[in-house]
Amino acid sequence: KQEVTQIPAALSVPEGENLVLNCSFTDSAIYNLQWFRQDPGKGLTSLLLIQSSQREQTSGRLNASLDKSSGRSTLYIAASQPGDSATYLCAVRPVGSGTYKYIFGTGTRLKVLA
Amino acid sequence: GAVVSQHPSWVICKSGTSVKIECRSLDFQATTMFWYRQFPKQSLMLMATSNEGSKATYEQGVEKDKFLINHASLTLSTLTVTSAHPEDSSFYICSARGNDQPQHFGDGTRLSIL
Repeated sequence: KQEVTQIPAALSVPEGENLVLNCSFTDSAIYNLQWFRQDPGKGLTSLLLIQSSQREQTSGRLNASLDKSSGRSTLYIAASQPGDSATYLCAVRPVGSGTYKYIFGTGTRLKVLA
Repeated sequence: GAVVSQHPSWVICKSGTSVKIECRSLDFQATTMFWYRQFPKQSLMLMATSNEGSKATYEQGVEKDKFLINHASLTLSTLTVTSAHPEDSSFYICSARGNDQPQHFGDGTRLSIL
């Protein structure tokens, strides 16, 4: 059974710091992995999607890497800003999930202090 | 970009009543819709997957008679929580995908049962 874990559960950093969020999954048989942002009381916004054949994806100040064989992904946020404060979720789409279902991690709650 | 709209965003009702939540894809045809449930500070748990015109597929442990899902058109799916009780209070999020479309998430519905 696929399980997704995110460390740390919560993180508080001063503005301007570079930071790394970690995601690990137990079964390397995945189609892809996505990183999402969730603001309090809101739905999810997709940040980056990495296909199983890819090593990383970049969008602006965000960079996500994927090491499928070791079951790990990291989300790197450069020059963090107070507006980056949110919960970050990673999710994997397991092989065999023909209906495109995703398994989500428990999230990292990020607070960037001004 | 593609938008998924959920309605209502927040509902409070008495124990024993039934509550209907709508999920609409606004600018694409959603061949598949997903319903998730999220408890405070926890991750999203998939409840069911619905394909337009067919019965929903429920995840293990989710009562299909309790959570009625209808996906009658390519732009609308509804989740009805029947005879709701306080333990059903949660944040419900839908997502939708169409052909050649990634999943897009709604903003969620906060359900509070008194």
